[in-house]
Amino acid sequence: RKEVEQDPGPFNVPEGATVAFNCTYSNSASQSFFWYRQDCRKEPKLLMSVYSSGNEDGRFTAQLNRASQYISLLIRDSKLSDSATYLCVVRGAGNNRKLIWGLGTSLAVNP
Amino acid sequence: NAGVTQTPKFQVLKTGQSMTLQCAQDMNHNSMYWYRQDPGMGLRLIYYSASEGTTDKGEVPNGYNVSRLNKREFSLRLESAAPSQTSVYFCASSQGRNYEQYFGPGTRLTVT
Repeated sequence: RKEVEQDPGPFNVPEGATVAFNCTYSNSASQSFFWYRQDCRKEPKLLMSVYSSGNEDGRFTAQLNRASQYISLLIRDSKLSDSATYLCVVRGAGNNRKLIWGLGTSLAVNP
Repeated sequence: NAGVTQTPKFQVLKTGQSMTLQCAQDMNHNSMYWYRQDPGMGLRLIYYSASEGTTDKGEVPNGYNVSRLNKREFSLRLESAAPSQTSVYFCASSQGRNYEQYFGPGTRLTVT
């Protein structure tokens, strides 16, 4: 089993749609969780950290379910500019600085 | 405030040539990282430096060396380039208790 697994997609949605991505991780001792976004031929950029209580940033909501070892990202009112690959990222336990990267989920928002 | 910068942006090498990829950050971060990204493989950690003066191997260190020159700069060297090292190379830095990483724009390297 991969350490971080994501559905690769692609997800094709119309503008204004709500879309959700899930990600599962294998190490129950993982400490920190993130969603990054990567545009074609660009560097990954931090979208949001994921906290145990869940968190929201504008149209984006992230949730963490430690019992089931999955993380979700919900995008409401999708914009054309949301088209990108969304990377699920997990950090190990303690002071481990290394991040484990999923392969990403591709999203295309269509007019 | 430039964040993380990398040079060069593009490079073509012949097999056996050497080169150094440069990375610098101006965010006063302690930790720095080198990744490569290949289609279907995701981001793979080559080397990292938890703090100035220390370096450690990541997932795919073979064929690479690194130098943490000072707190700002972390370079990656290919001593004898091979076609298998054709990739996009990203440098990143991190700070803070969650260790969120911030990336440079990448170097696209082709080895022929």
